Amino acid sequence: GAGVSQSPSNKVTEKGKDVELRCDPISGHTALYWYRQSLGQGLEFLIYFQGNSAPDKSGLPSDRFSAERTGGSVSTLTIQRTQQEDSAVYLCASSWDRAETQYFGPGTRLLVL
Amino acid sequence: AQSVAQPEDQVNVAEGNPLTVKCTYSVSGNPYLFWYVQYPNRGLQFLLKYITGDNLVKGSYGFEAEFNKSQTSFHLKKPSALVSDSALYFCAVRDNTGRRALTFGSGTRLQVQP
Repeated sequence: GAGVSQSPSNKVTEKGKDVELRCDPISGHTALYWYRQSLGQGLEFLIYFQGNSAPDKSGLPSDRFSAERTGGSVSTLTIQRTQQEDSAVYLCASSWDRAETQYFGPGTRLLVL
Repeated sequence: AQSVAQPEDQVNVAEGNPLTVKCTYSVSGNPYLFWYVQYPNRGLQFLLKYITGDNLVKGSYGFEAEFNKSQTSFHLKKPSALVSDSALYFCAVRDNTGRRALTFGSGTRLQVQP
């Protein structure tokens, strides 16, 4: 079946601009996660959605970062006023409610000039 | 706070030889442990996990890992390496509370020489 999909696959933007990254989880998965992979910081957790519960935002690095999940499916990660240190690969993952395995998408490679 | 250590940045092994990629962890309570593999310009692919039960878990592509509670380790192993196994391997942990976020190690690059 279809896996987690993310768009765009690559994004180049100028410092100070806003960007939106999209994630389509595996159909039927109720949990959705965003992670960031960068050379300096490795793989780090950003935010987690589970059903209708309040999201776990504890990994967001600043208030420039936000995310929403509409209709319990698609999620959008928004970065406002991008900075060069935001350059990274942003990975989305999803899992079933009670399952522990997170399945990852191919990522969005963000470059801030 | 939970953490994962992968002490080797790179592991080199000849094709056909056994391989081991090391992982140790620190977590409150019982750990949930995972191994993922990443090929160039790709996302993470799930290999195997330990939640409970047998300490030796078997996963995809002939990989296995052994959970050792006393040594807080979860090393990844394969009896006979293939050139196609060359990739970046990540160990990850979460605790058994409600927080689902994974904490990843820094990754180990496996290079299998023909």
